[in-house]
Amino acid sequence: AQSVAQPEDQVNVAEGNPLTVKCTYSVSGNPYLFWYVQYPNRGLQFLLKYITGDNLVKGSYGFEAEFNKSQTSFHLKKPSALVSDSALYFCAVRDVGSSNTGKLIFGQGTTLQVKP
Amino acid sequence: DTGVSQDPRHKITKRGQNVTFRCDPISEHNRLYWYRQTLGQGPEFLTYFQNEAQLEKSRLLSDRFSAERPKGSFSTLEIQRTEQGDSAMYLCASSLAASGSSKNIQYFGAGTRLSVL
Repeated sequence: AQSVAQPEDQVNVAEGNPLTVKCTYSVSGNPYLFWYVQYPNRGLQFLLKYITGDNLVKGSYGFEAEFNKSQTSFHLKKPSALVSDSALYFCAVRDVGSSNTGKLIFGQGTTLQVKP
Repeated sequence: DTGVSQDPRHKITKRGQNVTFRCDPISEHNRLYWYRQTLGQGPEFLTYFQNEAQLEKSRLLSDRFSAERPKGSFSTLEIQRTEQGDSAMYLCASSLAASGSSKNIQYFGAGTRLSVL
């Protein structure tokens, strides 16, 4: 069965410093991986996806993610954090089971706190 | 195109009552998903529609839950005889089953937060 894990409940970083939010996955076959961000009382906003191709994926708001097949990881990164990046971040994998509905399987989320 | 809309944003109900939520997907999107999110957890899949056909239901979706997408556009999720354990955020997402860079991206609504007293 497909799954993702986000090992950190919370990540704290100072504004202007680089940030990393970790995600590892377990899938059979090639993974379709996603990052979403959720602000309070809002839905999830798509940040970026990895389907195939370059291991470094660039997304919205200056975020990028690095796909590492050998480590089964898909960590989210940003070179310089902003206070406005403070939010809840979810890693997800597309379920590629027999139903092929495209449903997403989410990690438990990581709260990013960027301090001025 | 204003994105995925959900109504209401908040619903407070008493245990045992029925509730219905509505989702309006992005207009050209033929795939529609419902997820449930409880506090401190990631969203969990409930059900999936392709056009008007409901093609998958999670085991999380008990007999008290029913979803429809009658004309392949908007969708409704009804919960009958609500229980306190139904309290959660109910999220709707839509996507386009087509080729190109937009494929596989699900766009989410703001959700309906249900509180069962």
